[in-house]
Amino acid sequence: GNSVTQMEGPVTLSEEAFLTINCTYTATGYPSLFWYVQYPGEGLQLLLKATKADDKGSNKGFEATYRKETTSFHLEKGSVQVSDSAVYFCALQIYNQGGKLIFGQGTELSVKP
Amino acid sequence: EAGVTQFPSHSVIEKGQTVTLRCDPISGHDNLYWYRRVMGKEIKFLLHFVKESKQDESGMPNNRFLAERTGGTYSTLKVQPAELEDSGVYFCASSKFGGGPGGGANVLTFGAGSRLTVL
Repeated sequence: GNSVTQMEGPVTLSEEAFLTINCTYTATGYPSLFWYVQYPGEGLQLLLKATKADDKGSNKGFEATYRKETTSFHLEKGSVQVSDSAVYFCALQIYNQGGKLIFGQGTELSVKP
Repeated sequence: EAGVTQFPSHSVIEKGQTVTLRCDPISGHDNLYWYRRVMGKEIKFLLHFVKESKQDESGMPNNRFLAERTGGTYSTLKVQPAELEDSGVYFCASSKFGGGPGGGANVLTFGAGSRLTVL
């Protein structure tokens, strides 16, 4: 079946530290990959996406590269800020399956000043 | 454009009562999805509407949950009777269909969610 596995949180970092949140997937079809973010008190927001192998999605200093050979889509940021504290969700979407997303369990990130 | 709107933002009810959650999608979005996140676990798919038709309801947990989308505009999700394990955050999302492999993905826009607490 189709599934997404994320590293467990919570992750606590100091400001300006390097961030990696691991995400691996299993897919029976050809997936598009996404990272969504939920800031405290807000809804889910699309952070970035990639639709084919070797694509790199980027936004707000975050990056993730679609690695088909390792079935991974790890999220990275070179220097985190306190405002990046949120829950991050990795998700996949299989072409021609109605557009629904399959999410990982979420990784809570807390950035301390 | 206005985003996806959900209400109530938070509902507290007792076991056995009924709750109805509402979702207003982005205007012109034929696709509407319901998801649920229970107690810090993954966000799980519940169902998918295309206009007023249920395209996929494979994620609906049981027959205590009823979703409707009359007229293909807003949608409601009713839980009757509510049980303790129904507590969680219910998200609604809408989209226009995108492309396929190598092209644009079908990007879903989510609402802020409705938090349901069943006591």
